[in-house]
Amino acid sequence: GESVGLHLPTLSVQEGDNSIINCAYSNSASDYFIWYKQESGKGPQFIIDIRSNMDKRQGQRVTVLLNKTVKHLSLQIAATQPGDSAVYFCAENIRGGKLIFGQGTELSVKP
Amino acid sequence: NAGVTQTPKFRVLKTGQSMTLLCAQDMNHEYMYWYRQDPGMGLRLIHYSVGEGTTAKGEVPDGYNVSRLKKQNFLLGLESAAPSQTSVYFCASSSLAGSPEAFFGQGTRLTVV
Repeated sequence: GESVGLHLPTLSVQEGDNSIINCAYSNSASDYFIWYKQESGKGPQFIIDIRSNMDKRQGQRVTVLLNKTVKHLSLQIAATQPGDSAVYFCAENIRGGKLIFGQGTELSVKP
Repeated sequence: NAGVTQTPKFRVLKTGQSMTLLCAQDMNHEYMYWYRQDPGMGLRLIHYSVGEGTTAKGEVPDGYNVSRLKKQNFLLGLESAAPSQTSVYFCASSSLAGSPEAFFGQGTRLTVV
């Protein structure tokens, strides 16, 4: 079936440390994998995406890794800041326009 | 630039009542989506549209209907509201070409009593 799931529901890190948020997916018919950040009371915001034919992509303080062999996606946040505290979702953009989200991981940054 | 606008922001319905949620986007996007988000859960896709005049079922379509008569608008209808439909509803849109980034509205908090 089509599902995108996360390994950990919560993650607590110290300010300045690196964060790694993981995601498992099951659908292979996807063009892109995407990470979104959702702050309390707001809609999700795009962070970074990776095409299905890539295995790594870097942005500003964020890196996304894609391992198609084990159907695993991860988001790495460097030097985590209090403003990074939010819920992070992975999502799969399936060929044909469908956009499916995973359950989410709540990231808490301790000062 | 308004982006994606949802109307209304809050609504309380009685069981059995009907209502329509409106989503409007001004970015000329082809794709539009309706999601529901329940506490402690991710966003579940209700229905989506890949263009004007087309709609398709998502993960949880039962109890909802949608229409996309104009490219900029995507309507979500509840014909007979049930308490299980109490949720926060998000609309999103994205472009057919280029980045797959979806832009989200601010959400509609719906309570069915």
